[in-house]
Amino acid sequence: EIVLTQSPATLSLSPGERATLSCRTSQSVSIFLAWYQQKPGQAPRLLIYDASNRATGIPARFSGSGSGTDFTLTISSLEPEDFAVYYCQQRSNWPWITFGQGTRLEIK
Amino acid sequence: QVLLQQSGPGLVRPSETLSLTCTVSGVSISRTNYYWVWIRQPPGKGPEWIGTISYSGRDDYNPSLKSRVIISVDSSKNQFSLNLHAVTAADTAVYYCLKRSSLQQPESNWFDPWGQGTLVTVSS
Repeated sequence: EIVLTQSPATLSLSPGERATLSCRTSQSVSIFLAWYQQKPGQAPRLLIYDASNRATGIPARFSGSGSGTDFTLTISSLEPEDFAVYYCQQRSNWPWITFGQGTRLEIK
Repeated sequence: QVLLQQSGPGLVRPSETLSLTCTVSGVSISRTNYYWVWIRQPPGKGPEWIGTISYSGRDDYNPSLKSRVIISVDSSKNQFSLNLHAVTAADTAVYYCLKRSSLQQPESNWFDPWGQGTLVTVSS
């Protein structure tokens, strides 16, 4: 099983600030990593796929980078609606997909 | 447009079987390079993959659940189902049915959109 470790567990920032979230995998997943956003009471929403591609309709302030075992989700300037939980997911060894434990982005 | 509609009970008693069905519209469930997936999310935790059944009928399961879970397809109804046996309170979660298509644009290899899911509570 490929283990995904997200850090930090909680990130406290203010609107307008830059957010940097990390996801590390226990073995290389190449670029087969995605990021999801989940707000309270809602299902996850795909933000970034294949490490660096924005999903349809996702604002340009969201960007992803990385390959191999180290990945980053960056939100360039936080909007109030961006405060949520973020998960990474790999599909490198499909169908045995795994998710990270999440990073909670909260308002400081 | 491919749509997935879940159905099934929201309350299951301990030791019994959790059964959920996902009805697919917009594409044949046997369509080449489509994969049908169950994922669950316990309250306050991250998503967990349960299992996948492919267009060819191949099924694969999370090793932690493999002894208790079966995913099956009913092609006549264009549905796929989840059966999780001998449930306990630890199986309380929101359950999602999802699809992956590996023939279309790269984005379709990932899970989007997610439906509302079904909250299944295991309690007597």
